[in-house]
Amino acid sequence: GAGVSQSPRYKVAKRGQDVALRCDPISGHVSLFWYQQALGQGPEFLTYFQNEAQLDKSGLPSDRFFAERPEGSVSTLKIQRTQQEDSAVYLCASSLGVQPQHFGDGTRLSIL
Amino acid sequence: EDKVVQSPLSLVVHEGDTVTLNCSYEVTNFRSLLWYKQEKKAPTFLFMLTSSGIEKKSGRLSSILDKKELFSILNITATQTGDSAVYLCARNSGGSNYKLTFGKGTLLTVNP
Repeated sequence: GAGVSQSPRYKVAKRGQDVALRCDPISGHVSLFWYQQALGQGPEFLTYFQNEAQLDKSGLPSDRFFAERPEGSVSTLKIQRTQQEDSAVYLCASSLGVQPQHFGDGTRLSIL
Repeated sequence: EDKVVQSPLSLVVHEGDTVTLNCSYEVTNFRSLLWYKQEKKAPTFLFMLTSSGIEKKSGRLSSILDKKELFSILNITATQTGDSAVYLCARNSGGSNYKLTFGKGTLLTVNP
């Protein structure tokens, strides 16, 4: 497809379970970002990749959060031992350098 | 801290009204300011502003940046019910990291 694709669209997990969220960026976009959006808030930066290199992970809230982009295309955000405060929409965006970021529809994560 | 503050947080208008949304930011480094529209899903890109005083237009929407006073406005003329959405303002601080810092957004409701 032409846009950023994220899966699953919705994920429900029990507290303590591990989850994995996938992002397929726009073809050719070297920059990939993950954001977390809580209800009624703007997106908050989690981590940034340029190709396969993770250049900034300063926004990851704890060491339970881990992201990878091994071949410089698809990225996975993994959350271990989920907690209720992890419930949010996780947005992925991609871009070419200084060009505007284009967002996927997000994964809505609910932790019970 | 590099804050982005949007006002008002919510706004209700009637079709045909003109609205002005505000965005102010604190920054030591600055590359660009971006506006996005978010309905149920992905934030969709509207404008990217890099220079002061140059208005960008797209149909009934326009935006301008004041780098001296550190703010931007988004104008929507002749509003339609389809303009109902959350409008997000974001700053890119420059350097080698292209991450965006978002405001909380303005929820615009246009009633028929």
